[in-house]
Amino acid sequence: EAGVAQSPRYKIIEKRQSVAFWCNPISGHATLYWYQQILGQGPKLLIQFQNNGVVDDSQLPKDRFSAERLKGVDSTLKIQPAKLEDSAVYLCASSRRGQVLAKNIQYFGAGTRLSVL
Amino acid sequence: GQNIDQPTEMTATEGAIVQINCTYQTSGFNGLFWYQQHAGEAPTFLSYNVLDGLEEKGRFSSFLSRSKGYSYLLLKELQMKDSASYLCAVRCYNQGGKLIFGQGTELSVKP
Repeated sequence: EAGVAQSPRYKIIEKRQSVAFWCNPISGHATLYWYQQILGQGPKLLIQFQNNGVVDDSQLPKDRFSAERLKGVDSTLKIQPAKLEDSAVYLCASSRRGQVLAKNIQYFGAGTRLSVL
Repeated sequence: GQNIDQPTEMTATEGAIVQINCTYQTSGFNGLFWYQQHAGEAPTFLSYNVLDGLEEKGRFSSFLSRSKGYSYLLLKELQMKDSASYLCAVRCYNQGGKLIFGQGTELSVKP
């Protein structure tokens, strides 16, 4: 089966500009996650969707970050305006069901590497 | 709060065995995952432990002790392609079941 698709792979912008990332999860996966991975650190969850509803966005900086998953399939993550500290890899992951169930492996995309100058 | 600790870097020799440790302090533990991440690539799932004991899968094994808040990933017969970052992640049911990742251990395998 096809994996999690993300685009673009790389993006370079100047601070205060806006940027959007796109994710297409594995077919049939109800749950979609966006993570931020700063160099040398583990991924940090930004937002989790179950179908097209938000389950957890407690660590999303809502003054500048937004995300949507309108039809319960593809998702976009937007940053507006970007700051220097937003430079990171943005990973999208999907799983069959919500996290509270056993195992429920998350499958990751290759990510979008964002550099804010 | 939730805290997960792993060594930052490790070096091992091709053909040898290496053990990567992970300690955690969390509430509502509901499973521990190990992922492998090559530079510039997606994290890929390696193993899952929810009960105490050893899970073996080919050259990779993972161990869990819930009472000690401790896990390790054991890699046998190391190959050059095993050079990667290894991420330990804990799932907690009182955090909505989300995964909390450690910083990752960068493993370098040398000839």
